[in-house]
Amino acid sequence: ELKVEQNPLFLSMQEGKNYTIYCNYSTTSDRLYWYRQDPGKSLESLFVLLSNGAVKQEGRLMASLDTKARLSTLHITAAVHDLSATYFCAVDIGLDSNYQLIWGAGTKLIIKP
Amino acid sequence: DVKVTQSSRYLVKRTGEKVFLECVQDMDHENMFWYRQDPGLGLRLIYFSYDVKMKEKGDIPEGYSVSREKKERFSLILESASTNQTSMYLCASSSGTPSLGDTQYFGPGTRLTVL
Repeated sequence: ELKVEQNPLFLSMQEGKNYTIYCNYSTTSDRLYWYRQDPGKSLESLFVLLSNGAVKQEGRLMASLDTKARLSTLHITAAVHDLSATYFCAVDIGLDSNYQLIWGAGTKLIIKP
Repeated sequence: DVKVTQSSRYLVKRTGEKVFLECVQDMDHENMFWYRQDPGLGLRLIYFSYDVKMKEKGDIPEGYSVSREKKERFSLILESASTNQTSMYLCASSSGTPSLGDTQYFGPGTRLTVL
């Protein structure tokens, strides 16, 4: 069965702390996406990871991909309240002509002042 | 900027009614998608389309149909709404080049309640 598992599903943390969200997947893929969703709003793209060892950084967020371990991480450095949101990873399992994303359940992140 | 719009933000319908949800994108994207989002389940793909008049079933197509008569417009139809179709429905579009990193752009969502 194709699975994308995020861990943890819920995270409450203090401002200024570091933490990592994990995304494990069960099938071969070298394309993985991270999205953010604010409460009551739609999803917006954060990172696109297209190969083994890919690392992308934007502000306090850094995403990486290890295709051999079938694992992606989203690392938060010195968290601030504005990063409170739900974060989703999605794995591309399809072929170039007919691809499909399998989504994780999302990690709800609450950052307390 | 890519813009994906959905016809309604909130919709309340009765069991058995036929429901139309419409999605329009303005970036000439090849691919369009309909998802439903339920707490704890992430996003589940209902249908997608990679070209006009073309459609493919996703993970949960039962009880739904779609129509894509024009490239910019993708409609989701609930033939006979049921209470278990109460959910948030999200439309997305993408350019169709996954090897280059094919980001999906999402609409604001339609929260459908079936009574």
